[in-house]
Amino acid sequence: SQQGEEDPQALSIQEGENATMNCSYKTSINNLQWYRQNSGRGLVHLILIRSNEREKHSGRLRVTLDTSKKSSSLLITASRAADTASYFCATVSGGSNYKLTFGKGTLLTVNP
Amino acid sequence: GAVVSQHPSWVICKSGTSVKIECRSLDFQATTMFWYRQFPKQSLMLMATSNEGSKATYEQGVEKDKFLINHASLTLSTLTVTSAHPEDSSFYICSATRHTDGTDTQYFGPGTRLTVL
Repeated sequence: SQQGEEDPQALSIQEGENATMNCSYKTSINNLQWYRQNSGRGLVHLILIRSNEREKHSGRLRVTLDTSKKSSSLLITASRAADTASYFCATVSGGSNYKLTFGKGTLLTVNP
Repeated sequence: GAVVSQHPSWVICKSGTSVKIECRSLDFQATTMFWYRQFPKQSLMLMATSNEGSKATYEQGVEKDKFLINHASLTLSTLTVTSAHPEDSSFYICSATRHTDGTDTQYFGPGTRLTVL
């Protein structure tokens, strides 16, 4: 079953702008991960944030986690046309350390 | 980095035939692999968890007799779609789990596009 719900479902911005995608989930989690998928390809792991963390950075990526609101956000700064892809959040819950439940994803289009 | 491959990358078959998809972890051993399916413009749906040396664990609603999973070694899991029908046409993605720094990270294969005519 789908745990995460991303919004917006689609986002179109100009190169150089920042892109923010949000993810909400329903149950308590061990960690939350963000993935990127180019059209028709596999997934690339971007960043993992644990339930006891509130913010994490990796290059142009910034992820926040608010466990009280059961939500997370992914910010991509200074976007590039090559960032065009679908972005998914995925949660790990319960006793499993690795079983992922994916959200519906956000399709990001960065226009040159 | 951790690399996961899938073979074939795409396959077209006739209705009623069986298709085998391979998932390999190339530079690490994976005791656990996962199989997902993804319909166009939708998210990934977990089908089953493949454990090396034991039976796969299927998600609710996934027919284990239709989607046969074999995890024969620490680097290879196979998914066989038996008696495929057009509704089985989908993008099938595997992932392999690597334990690093106290965390299990999943590395995904590039996916296999199955089209059943």
